[in-house]
Amino acid sequence: GAGVSQSPSNKVTEKGKDVELRCDPISGHTALYWYRQRLGQGLEFLIYFQGNSAPDKSGLPSDRFSAERTGESVSTLTIQRTQQEDSAVYLCASRTGTGGANVLTFGAGSRLTVL
Amino acid sequence: GDSVTQMEGPVTLSEEAFLTINCTYTATGYPSLFWYVQYPGEGLQLLLKATKADDKGSNKGFEATYRKETTSFHLEKGSVQVSDSAVYFCALGTNAGKSTFGDGTTLTVKP
Repeated sequence: GAGVSQSPSNKVTEKGKDVELRCDPISGHTALYWYRQRLGQGLEFLIYFQGNSAPDKSGLPSDRFSAERTGESVSTLTIQRTQQEDSAVYLCASRTGTGGANVLTFGAGSRLTVL
Repeated sequence: GDSVTQMEGPVTLSEEAFLTINCTYTATGYPSLFWYVQYPGEGLQLLLKATKADDKGSNKGFEATYRKETTSFHLEKGSVQVSDSAVYFCALGTNAGKSTFGDGTTLTVKP
């Protein structure tokens, strides 16, 4: 597609429920990132996929968080047993290759509210 | 590990004022440096970038110069407009693939 697409754009859930957030990157972009942005705060790195290499999961805050990506296509971020502190906007970004100069293209984000 | 430190906000200016938002970084090797902007209700988008020392990135009247000796990439604009009100993020990217962002600086420009 023309841009990075994320769904749902808004999700309200009850504490303890599981949620899945989806990211559809730009076609041909081998790298995909998930970030978390809490209200009024910066971007917190969660996980990074590059092609078929093992993902960099160093930013995942707990074992309740997991993400998958098949090849160079769609990625799903799953949060199990959600807690109120998980409320945030979850941003997905993609870019071509591994070059540091390559620009990230961001999706509009998925806003998660845990009641 | 890599890190980016941005000037804390929020920053409030009057229209036509001069803007500086400080950014310093720590990284191994030679990163590329970026400023991204997030306008109200929109996603992050690239504002400008520089890929090597002494490069100057510029866009929409904004400029930033890659200073290796001071590990800095300060954002400047000579005359801000109300439409520049947004959150500005400094970031670095390395050939290892990971991109690191600062905490963001909120700019409000008043007419």
